[in-house]
Amino acid sequence: NAGVIQTPRHKVTGKGQEATLWCEPISGHSAVFWYRQTIVQGLEFLTYFRNQAPIDDSGMPKERFSAQMPNQSHSTLKIQSTQPQDSAVYLCASSPRTGGLSAETLYFGSGTRLTVL
Amino acid sequence: SQWGEENLQALSIQEGEDVTMNCSYKTYTTVVHWYRQDSGRGPALIILIRSNEREKRSGRLRATLDTSSQSSSLSITAAQCEDTAVYFCATGGTNTGKLTFGDGTVLTVKP
Repeated sequence: NAGVIQTPRHKVTGKGQEATLWCEPISGHSAVFWYRQTIVQGLEFLTYFRNQAPIDDSGMPKERFSAQMPNQSHSTLKIQSTQPQDSAVYLCASSPRTGGLSAETLYFGSGTRLTVL
Repeated sequence: SQWGEENLQALSIQEGEDVTMNCSYKTYTTVVHWYRQDSGRGPALIILIRSNEREKRSGRLRATLDTSSQSSSLSITAAQCEDTAVYFCATGGTNTGKLTFGDGTVLTVKP
């Protein structure tokens, strides 16, 4: 089991360009989460899917950010018109099931470091 | 924020010493998770304590949970250099899938 795979590991974009981040969850896991990590804000929840359906996107900036999970083997986070303040490490995590939710273990990937110049 | 007023904290200790990290939370929870994050990696769960457990041990790790004060602690006994990492506590609300993470503690263990 390779764990959660995130690609690319590093991405540099110019201000105003689009960035797409990819996540492959652990096979068989039913929930996929996206978090953003910065020194100032720490680990911030963005959104999550359960059985490919969007469940909670309360952490997503309303403009420019979107996430999809077209099949059970991958999810994408897209940022349109990137801004310098979007620079962060974007972490994807998966979880095996959604019963007893508050006790679920999240398995994180190593993240994508996005730098917006 | 769900958490108390703590910002990212830093602790530096010598190898072999014991260390305790604390966190407090504002929202009711039945479980507190403790994760560690190594440089360049995502966080990984190291211990989880439930509201019916006042204390939980795993190897050199010990977690406590006080629901009355809404606080939790993580202790490491006889710390080793490989314990150097950032440690986060996290809680999930009842019936929600997401975890909310605290600001974390940067632990450095020096040889």
